[in-house]
Amino acid sequence: KAGVTQTPRYLIKTRGQQVTLSCSPISGHRSVSWYQQTPGQGLQFLFEYFSETQRNKGNFPGRFSGRQFSNSRSEMNVSTLELGDSALYLCASSLAPGQSYEQYFGPGTRLTVT
Amino acid sequence: ILNVEQSPQSLHVQEGDSTNFTCSFPSSNFYALHWYRWETAKSPEALFVMTLNGDEKKKGRISATLNTKEGYSYLYIKGSQPEDSATYLCAFSGTQGGSEKLVFGKGTKLTVNP
Repeated sequence: KAGVTQTPRYLIKTRGQQVTLSCSPISGHRSVSWYQQTPGQGLQFLFEYFSETQRNKGNFPGRFSGRQFSNSRSEMNVSTLELGDSALYLCASSLAPGQSYEQYFGPGTRLTVT
Repeated sequence: ILNVEQSPQSLHVQEGDSTNFTCSFPSSNFYALHWYRWETAKSPEALFVMTLNGDEKKKGRISATLNTKEGYSYLYIKGSQPEDSATYLCAFSGTQGGSEKLVFGKGTKLTVNP
């Protein structure tokens, strides 16, 4: 069974630009969560999607948004990039929502904002 | 704001040593406690999801215990091997307001010297 895939793996953007990251969950998994990791910080929860609906949202500004498609693939978008948005962005999929299910993580997208 | 603390921050042991680390989390509104292993340049890998007070789970040489009343979980590694070198993350989810998002600790970085 193929794992969670994320594209692109690396990205360099300039302040003020916007970026879209993509996540394809494991086949059959319908819940997708997004996390941000910056140096010195633990994984910070961004949002969770299930059945094309955002179920939960973390404490991030409105510049961070996401969506989920009918095939469970998900995208997240960051508009008006700031230097502090430089981070590793991970997505994770699980069979269903609710955090008693194991989450399977993708390899991440390393975003650098200059 | 939920706080998940992991200790120690880092640990160096010799091959063959047994070791353990701690995850502390809020003892109220508990839903689930996750442990993940994150090797450098790889994706976080789920080890355990624990939901019941007194739970003990085991996978090979790695085991974990859970005390939801006092808000802590221990992860044990018996006979550490160099391939156990990784950052071990715990993540807590609570039931505040129906939200079940995972809150991660900053991890314990384990280095096993041959």
